[in-house]
Amino acid sequence: DGGITQSPKYLFRKEGQNVTLSCEQNLNHDAMYWYRQDPGQGLRLIYYSQIVNDFQKGDIAEGYSVSREKKESFPLTVTSAQKNPTAFYLCASSVEGPGRNQPQHFGDGTRLSIL
Amino acid sequence: SQQGEEDPQALSIQEGENATMNCSYKTSINNLQWYRQNSGRGLVHLILIRSNEREKHSGRLRVTLDTSKKSSSLLITASRAADTASYFCATPQTGANNLFFGTGTRLTVIP
Repeated sequence: DGGITQSPKYLFRKEGQNVTLSCEQNLNHDAMYWYRQDPGQGLRLIYYSQIVNDFQKGDIAEGYSVSREKKESFPLTVTSAQKNPTAFYLCASSVEGPGRNQPQHFGDGTRLSIL
Repeated sequence: SQQGEEDPQALSIQEGENATMNCSYKTSINNLQWYRQNSGRGLVHLILIRSNEREKHSGRLRVTLDTSKKSSSLLITASRAADTASYFCATPQTGANNLFFGTGTRLTVIP
């Protein structure tokens, strides 16, 4: 079955440490997204990528970095500069960007906590 | 902000009843999407309604869109315990590549 796989499901970060969240899709989608969700809140866009080797900052990119070397993969690094990283992180993909009216498909998220 | 806002924030109903949740937004859109999120899981796309459509159905779901009032509603008929989840509306900005999500309505269906 096609879908989006996020790993790990739970992740703990120590002070001053960078951590990387994995997102892999086998849907052959061009666009991929990273969102942050805080308790009881909606989703906020961190980064998105419409094509390999290209990505743009979303609303809350500070303290995060991404790469898009392969169509299937869009890893997110939470750097030590992100002072409040505790949240639920969701990766999504779509056939094209949301301006083209395509729905987004989501992974099951990674819950990141500070030790 | 052009983020959608759902209303009510929380809704609790008995199984078999209908559930209605609303979404308001601030700017012109070319479509509006509704998603469901079960606790601790990712979002699942439910339905997309385009700006030139007024109503759309999918199974027990009915979505309406009123662009003059910048609002949409999601109706779930004959609710089931399995419908318990948070429901989000999302709107893309015309000409941009962001999808804005509301804060969601938490629906609880009591068996």
